[in-house]
Amino acid sequence: QMQLVQSGSEVKKPGASVKISCKGSGYSFNSYSINWVRQAPGQGLEWMGWITHTGKATYSQAFTGRFVFSLDPSVNTAYLQITSLEAADTAVYFCARDIRSYYYMDMWGRGTTVTVSS
Amino acid sequence: AIQLTQSPSSLSASVGDRVTITCRASQGINSLLSWYQQKPGQPPKLLIYGASNLGHGVPSRFSGRASGTDFTLTISSLQPEDFATYYCQQLKDLVYTFGQGTKLEIK
Repeated sequence: QMQLVQSGSEVKKPGASVKISCKGSGYSFNSYSINWVRQAPGQGLEWMGWITHTGKATYSQAFTGRFVFSLDPSVNTAYLQITSLEAADTAVYFCARDIRSYYYMDMWGRGTTVTVSS
Repeated sequence: AIQLTQSPSSLSASVGDRVTITCRASQGINSLLSWYQQKPGQPPKLLIYGASNLGHGVPSRFSGRASGTDFTLTISSLQPEDFATYYCQQLKDLVYTFGQGTKLEIK
């Protein structure tokens, strides 16, 4: 069964860092890029960027600086690290597999909720 | 960057109705437009890719069309499980953009 399994919810204080994982299974993880998508409470979907299977990261303009994508192919896992957390980073973060033939996201993780609160 | 504007932002309909949601691009794009369905507390689910191709396992009551910069998602006969929020998405210049979403509610 193909799936992306994300790490659990996190509660952090402002200024802290968080690292979210997204583990793929049931398919050739190293053949696909992974997208990261943010959804703030009650809001729509916002594309953060992607990381290719070779580890090249591309960031949306709104997610440069404090956001870092990384990859560990040996454990079929992609990571999103956010530093200097702000209250505005409170959101659900999804990872999603990218299909390059038509450029869409065919499989999604269930999301990781990050709450930033003092 | 390209903007995608969905209309309507919300919609009330009844089981059995035919509904159409529109996604308009701010400039000409290719056919690399997808549609997703999201229910509360769940991740988005792919419905349509390449403007008109049905995703794996998606019921045939869902269909997509493209006409210039306008893309439509049609549900031919609403089922109870179709009440959700729908998003369009496109890729241009290696940047993905989502529409703001259309919330489909039960009348």
